[in-house]
Amino acid sequence: QLQLQESGPGLVKPSETLSLTCSVSGGSISNSDYYWGWIRQPPGKGLEWIGRIYHSGTSYYNPSLESRVTISVDTSRNQFSLKVNSVTAADTAVYYCARVIGAPQWFDPWGQGTLVTVSS
Amino acid sequence: NFMLTQPLSVSESPGKTVTISCTRSSGSIASNYVQWYQQRPGSSPTTVIYEDNQRPSGVPDRFSGSIDSSSNSASLTISGLKTEDEADYYCQSYDSSVVFGGGTKLTVL
Repeated sequence: QLQLQESGPGLVKPSETLSLTCSVSGGSISNSDYYWGWIRQPPGKGLEWIGRIYHSGTSYYNPSLESRVTISVDTSRNQFSLKVNSVTAADTAVYYCARVIGAPQWFDPWGQGTLVTVSS
Repeated sequence: NFMLTQPLSVSESPGKTVTISCTRSSGSIASNYVQWYQQRPGSSPTTVIYEDNQRPSGVPDRFSGSIDSSSNSASLTISGLKTEDEADYYCQSYDSSVVFGGGTKLTVL
């Protein structure tokens, strides 16, 4: 059974870089059928797509975040990562990683999520 | 890009049927598949409908999805409501970018 687990600091200072890693178990991140993605959810608010990456390293981003976001993949560790630069309080959210399926790009399964708070 | 608009909240009694709408602001709802996710409090979203009307294994057939080109909207219908269905529901689609609806809080009382 495929499982995803986010990890990384829960507190980041304003203007610094948020870094998270998603570890994939129960399946290979190199599976050519899937992309791997990040989604976030500010407290009490809805879901926002951040971006996705293929095992080859090809990535796509939400245009509203593209200038500050980088997603990378490490196939040897079966992990992919997210970096968000120059964070502000607006980046405070639960960050989820998920497998991305098909052209409609639906997300399943999701990781449990990790809360990242941006505060000094 | 387009937006997906959902009602903020709906409520219904156990055993009844409820429908949640998801209206696309521009472009045809039929152009790209719609997915629906259920998010119970404190939990990650899970898929209840993908590709407009397909149910993942393990999702009961009380959950069904449809699209209506005349209203340019998608709908999630839950029949035989149970208290465990109380959750937030999000629609999602895709064009050049992935788009989520704002979410609908379903109360079963």
